[in-house]
Amino acid sequence: DQQVKQNSPSLSVQEGRISILNCDYTNSMFDYFLWYKKYPAEGPTFLISISSIKDKNEDGRFTVFLNKSAKHLSLHIVPSQPGDSAVYFCAASSGSGSARQLTFGSGTQLTVLP
Amino acid sequence: EAQVTQNPRYLITVTGKKLTVTCSQNMNHEYMSWYRQDPGLGLRQIYYSMNVEVTDKGDVPEGYKVSRKEKRNFPLILESPSPNQTSLYFCASSPQVGPYGYTFGSGTRLTVV
Repeated sequence: DQQVKQNSPSLSVQEGRISILNCDYTNSMFDYFLWYKKYPAEGPTFLISISSIKDKNEDGRFTVFLNKSAKHLSLHIVPSQPGDSAVYFCAASSGSGSARQLTFGSGTQLTVLP
Repeated sequence: EAQVTQNPRYLITVTGKKLTVTCSQNMNHEYMSWYRQDPGLGLRQIYYSMNVEVTDKGDVPEGYKVSRKEKRNFPLILESPSPNQTSLYFCASSPQVGPYGYTFGSGTRLTVV
């Protein structure tokens, strides 16, 4: 059973509009969340993260929101640009010391249309 | 340039023929890990290593081996590959264990026929 779920395999958005990518998790022990971006033929690259003690983290055009009661997080991209077209993975972390690991979702393909 | 280098990028092999995928990082990272990416399943961890000579199983370790004899290298070994190991593999490294941004390699597309 997947502990981190991205229920939308794909999303298309017009350039300049907002992109909202969603992620749900089931493990209440997760205390740190990350978003990765992946272009074809490249490895994932770290985009933005948020600790469970916060409900929002912003970095330029990218904002991550965390709703712990709903076990839901989302990534907002405003404004969306064609270069944002990529697969976005949500990841969650729990544990301590050597037991701390990342669990990834299945990814959402974002396409930003010019 | 700080990077994680995997080789080969593409590999087609036959069932049962032992193979090794190499991974090397030049950032002096302590933590290294292998993932496989499959459609609809995201990235699943195979093995990880917290430091030299310290390795441990991830979520899907069956059929794989790893070693960490030097800090910079973390090869993935398939002793007897099977078709269900056809996948896209990524090596990643991080300064330490924890929810930090991992640096990923570019991936190895493996096909076992």
